Amino acid sequence: SQTIHQWPATLVQPVGSPLSLECTVEGTSNPNLYWYRQAAGRGLQLLFYSVGIGQISSEVPQNLSASRPQDRQFILSSKKLLLSDSGFYLCAWSVSLAGGTGELFFGEGSRLTVL
Amino acid sequence: GENVEQHPSTLSVQEGDSAVIKCTYSDSASNYFPWYKQELGKRPQLIIDIRSNVGEKKDQRIAVTLNKTAKHFSLHITETQPEDSAVYFCASLYYSGYALNFGKGTSLLVTP
Repeated sequence: SQTIHQWPATLVQPVGSPLSLECTVEGTSNPNLYWYRQAAGRGLQLLFYSVGIGQISSEVPQNLSASRPQDRQFILSSKKLLLSDSGFYLCAWSVSLAGGTGELFFGEGSRLTVL
Repeated sequence: GENVEQHPSTLSVQEGDSAVIKCTYSDSASNYFPWYKQELGKRPQLIIDIRSNVGEKKDQRIAVTLNKTAKHFSLHITETQPEDSAVYFCASLYYSGYALNFGKGTSLLVTP
């Protein structure tokens, strides 16, 4: 069966420090991978998605970046965190379908607090 | 890009009553509309979805209806139970797109 792992679960970082959140998927090949951010009252905001190794699509201009160094690994990074980067970050995967995507399977999330 | 609006933002019902959450989307080319449930402290999980070639879909106590002409879709929960209390998100997918666009969520509270 497929599983998704995301870490760390919680993170408290000072403003201006770097960030690295990691997500891996097991039990499937060539998944679509996603990073969403959940802030209170704003729902699930799509940050990045990837349909293959090295292929990253950015939906929101910001000081965050994403990388996909391996087929089932997705990393969210920042060189310098801002207070506004605080939130709950969710990694997700879906089966790659011709003409789109299917059900999203979310990781357990990473709660980031920037002080 | 696609814009999904969801309302109400909060909904309180008594156990046994029905609950309805509505969403509208902006792009007529969208063709996939899932609903996710997120219990407190947990990850969102798919509860039901519908594609644009179908007008209604049911799964036990939950149902989703789609009106393509009006570009809106709704989640219906009948005979609500306290365990239905959660945040519900609607989403839409643009035709041949890869990423879902979510609404802002509805916090449903079912009181005994």
